[in-house]
Formats: sequence, C-alpha cells, structure tokens
Amino acid sequence: AQTVTQSQPEMSVQEAETVTLSCTYDTSESDYYLFWYKQPPSRQMILVIRQEAYKQQNATENRFSVNFQKAAKSFSLKISDSQLGDAAMYFCAYRGPSGTYKYIFGTGTRLKVLA
Amino acid sequence: DTGVSQNPRHKITKRGQNVTFRCDPISEHNRLYWYRQTLGQGPEFLTYFQNEAQLEKSRLLSDRFSAERPKGSFSTLEIQRTEQGDSAMYLCASSLVQGYEQFFGPGTRLTVL
Repeated sequence: AQTVTQSQPEMSVQEAETVTLSCTYDTSESDYYLFWYKQPPSRQMILVIRQEAYKQQNATENRFSVNFQKAAKSFSLKISDSQLGDAAMYFCAYRGPSGTYKYIFGTGTRLKVLA
Repeated sequence: DTGVSQNPRHKITKRGQNVTFRCDPISEHNRLYWYRQTLGQGPEFLTYFQNEAQLEKSRLLSDRFSAERPKGSFSTLEIQRTEQGDSAMYLCASSLVQGYEQFFGPGTRLTVL
C-alpha cells in the first residue's frame, strides 16, 4: 500500500527567509502524481503545487518550488521569501496512476512564520 | 459557482443520533470525493463518485456510513447511530474526469457528545 510520510510536525521560519518542508512516500508505481496542499486556519485546503512523476523537471509556482527525487521517493517543498500569509498546515499528497483517483495524505507540517 | 460548498459547517449531535451532510461540487466536475480528517492528522479517503456511480469505498466507511450522489450533482454523507469516534472534519472535494487536481470544500465539523 502507498504511504506518505511528513516527519516534521512543525516548522518555523522568519519572514522573508526560505524554508523547506520534507515529504517521503512509498509506492511501487512508476506513474503517479504528487501534490502540496495548504490548509490555513479557516480549514479550506488549497493546492500549492503539483508534480507529475514522469516529468524530470521540478515544478515551480512563484515563491513555491519542489525538489522531486523519484529514486529516493522524496518530494520536498521550498518556500522562498516567506510571508505571514504562508502560515498554515501543509499536506503532502500522493495520487496513483490513471484508474486510481483518491489522494493519500501525510500527517502535515504546521508552518509558523515569525515577523 | 466559485467553489465546493458544504453544509452545515458545524454539527453537534448526541451519540446514537443520525446526521447527514451535503456537498455541492463545482458544477462541471464529474468526480466527487469524501475524506475524513481528525485532529492532528491528514485527510483520509472515504469514498468517491464518478457522476452518480460510487466507484470506491474505503474500509473506513463502516456500515453506519452511507453516501449518495443521486443525480450526479450534489452528494450526501449520512452517519447512522453516531459514536464519539465519528467526531472529525468531513471534507468534500471534486475534480474533472480528465483532471487530477481535487478542489476541496471548507468541510463539516462533526462533534458527537
């Protein structure tokens, strides 16, 4: 069975600094999708960034980028120039190949941004 | 239509009562998902629909849980004979058939006393 592990329950970063959140996963599939979702205190989950496993290039969305290491089954999120609004729970999620549509989530990392 | 909506946002009930939650997905989305999130945990998959067909159910979905999507639009999740262990946030999400991004609603927080 697929699993997703986030080993950092909580992280802190100074405003304007860079922080990296870790995620590892386990799967026997070669085709899959990985996501980072943000869940602010209001609880609505928002997609931050996604990565298709067949793409070697790391995804980037403005201040957010990932380091996708397929062989190591690692998928970390880097947030540059951290802002107060980045404070939230961040969940790493895995979705299998076509035909499997559910997400498998990690336990989350709470990010605190210090002014 | 700006996103996935869920009602009610909060529900407090006594043990043994039945509760029903509603989810309205983004209008053009054919797939609809239910997840449960307990405190300090990530969401756990419960079930999903493609149009009105329920295509997968988790082992977490005991016989007391039932979900429907009668016309392929909104969905309901019913919990019968609630237990204190059912207390959680119930999240709904939707997606396009050809897409892999799920859009989440704000959730329904259930408290069973």
